[in-house]
Amino acid sequence: QKEVEQDPGPLSVPEGAIVSLNCTYSNSAFQYFMWYRQYSRKGPELLMYTYSSGNKEDGRFTAQVDKSSKYISLFIRDSQPSDSATYLCAMIPSGSARQLTFGSGTQLTVLP
Amino acid sequence: GAGVSQSPSNKVTEKGKDVELRCDPISGHTALYWYRQRLGQGLEFLIYFQGNSAPDKSGLPSDRFSAERTGESVSTLTIQRTQQEDSAVYLCASAVADNQPQHFGDGTRLSIL
Repeated sequence: QKEVEQDPGPLSVPEGAIVSLNCTYSNSAFQYFMWYRQYSRKGPELLMYTYSSGNKEDGRFTAQVDKSSKYISLFIRDSQPSDSATYLCAMIPSGSARQLTFGSGTQLTVLP
Repeated sequence: GAGVSQSPSNKVTEKGKDVELRCDPISGHTALYWYRQRLGQGLEFLIYFQGNSAPDKSGLPSDRFSAERTGESVSTLTIQRTQQEDSAVYLCASAVADNQPQHFGDGTRLSIL
């Protein structure tokens, strides 16, 4: 079993829809949570960073963390064609290990 | 520059050759990471540098892989005697500190013929 599970999609939605992307994890040591967006042939771009349970909002993006359920989500409101990309969740544990553990990514297409 | 810079952006080489990949982190970032991304897959950790501490090499897949970093600046990832399974995108990331968000370059696309 992978430490971080993410539905690979692909996910296709109409422009303006609300998108929900999710990851589950098994390691309770994970304390820092990130969402990255990756366009084709580009490096991952940081969207959201949080280290506590609850919601964090930034423009059209909301990150949600539920540590008790080991479940994180990213919501995109009023989705745009420019949001079409692969979305990667990533986590860092407490303690000495500092590398990110990534989900496999969800490919999103927003249709105009 | 403002972001993480990697070179070359693309590298095609023959099986058995050595390759060297370069990463210029964001100025002032003490933490530097290398990851590998195989086609259609998530990122796989390779190695981590933090300041002058000994690097965390726990993700290197074999002794053909090595990396160096000079102080808090440039890093090079070297793959010796390349194999076809080494074909992937090699991504570098840097961070202000080791529990802070990591910022990625656009990677080096390595193809082994």
